[in-house]
Amino acid sequence: GENVEQHPSTLSVQEGDSAVIKCTYSDSASNYFPWYKQELGKRPQLIIDIRSNVGEKKDQRIAVTLNKTAKHFSLHITETQPEDSAVYFCGVGAGGTSYGKLTFGQGTILTVHP
Amino acid sequence: NAGVMQNPRHLVRRRGQEARLRCSPMKGHSHVYWYRQLPEEGLKFMVYLQKENIIDESGMPKERFSAEFPKEGPSILRIQQVVRGDSAAYFCASSLGQSEAFFGQGTRLTVV
Repeated sequence: GENVEQHPSTLSVQEGDSAVIKCTYSDSASNYFPWYKQELGKRPQLIIDIRSNVGEKKDQRIAVTLNKTAKHFSLHITETQPEDSAVYFCGVGAGGTSYGKLTFGQGTILTVHP
Repeated sequence: NAGVMQNPRHLVRRRGQEARLRCSPMKGHSHVYWYRQLPEEGLKFMVYLQKENIIDESGMPKERFSAEFPKEGPSILRIQQVVRGDSAAYFCASSLGQSEAFFGQGTRLTVV
């Protein structure tokens, strides 16, 4: 089955700095790569996703880059704010007709200090 | 659109009892997924259902766990004879299929 590794497990930055979280996966057939943000005690919320036919996608302060050859993808958050503090999970899926069937990384606890 | 609705939000069961977790997908969504999240761990896929069909149950424990998504009503995740190790947050997600999945607020199951 799919194996997803996520690093780092914790990340502490100062407000205004950038944060980068990286995930690697094992199954070259995977085609869908979402990132979810989960605040304490709340639901995971999709913040950005990328499909295998795209190398990079950006949405305001958030961007995701994908390297299918190397089987890794990264989340980039620029100009971090205290409200960005949360646990971030990368997901990997086959796409197709089941975008919700995902293998998740172990999560990264991001803390943004004011 | 009320989003994915799960109930109850919190559930306490004694060892050996049954737990029933409910999930109503977003309006128009016919694909439902159940995930389990142990304390301070990631989300683990359990089962993928469409109306009246189990599509993929590769993440379900072989015993005591079952899931259904009937033609009418919510999807149900059922855990029989609960043990302390079943204590976790159980999340349901729904999608249109070829689009992103949205998660519910989860049910936090505590087995005492």
